[in-house]
Amino acid sequence: EIVLTQSPGTLSLSPGERATLSCRASQSVRSSHLAWYQQKPGQAPRLLIYGASSRATGIPDRFSGSGSGTDFTLTISRLEPEDFAVYYCQQYGSSPPITFGQGTRLEIK
Amino acid sequence: EVQLVQSGAEVKKPGESLKISCKGSGYSFTSYWIGWVRQMPGKGLEWMGIIYPGDSDTRYSPSFQGQVTISADKSISTAYLQWSSLKASDTAMYYCARHRTPYSGYDNFDYWGQGTLVTVSS
Repeated sequence: EIVLTQSPGTLSLSPGERATLSCRASQSVRSSHLAWYQQKPGQAPRLLIYGASSRATGIPDRFSGSGSGTDFTLTISRLEPEDFAVYYCQQYGSSPPITFGQGTRLEIK
Repeated sequence: EVQLVQSGAEVKKPGESLKISCKGSGYSFTSYWIGWVRQMPGKGLEWMGIIYPGDSDTRYSPSFQGQVTISADKSISTAYLQWSSLKASDTAMYYCARHRTPYSGYDNFDYWGQGTLVTVSS
């Protein structure tokens, strides 16, 4: 099973600042099959990034993903008030189980 | 418009059985794998398993194998998650979600249901 470790656990930033979220895998993720999701309180998760760097439909270009192998990053270039939420990475390149990271909470400073 | 609509919240006692549902619409239900994801109160996301409604091929996380059953009825475009004997530790929000790519068994989830809250308490 591939274990995903996200850091930091909580990130406190102000609107307009740049956010950098990390996701590290315990072994290489096949074919960069790494996705990022955003979840707001009381809502289902929303797909942001797939294939490590491709934005999902309708996702603003301030969200970008990068990385390969075992190290992946989600960057939000300029934070908007609606971006404060919990973010999860997910690897889907290996046999079950597909796994999620434990999440990073992005909070308003 | 793609939609996944889940059944309503449930309150059950330990030892009872339960089957919750997820109805897909707006796309070819038999062409996309559907998965179930658990979120315990205040916790993160856990991948439980997936099913391909076209032939009912099913894959489970080892953590959930034998604890739940995933099924689908393609005639009514509905996937199910069921328990034969609930425990208090099954209390959680359960989401269904669709794979982004048709036919792909290893994929991310692009559309999600609204979630079904299951509460198990004596």
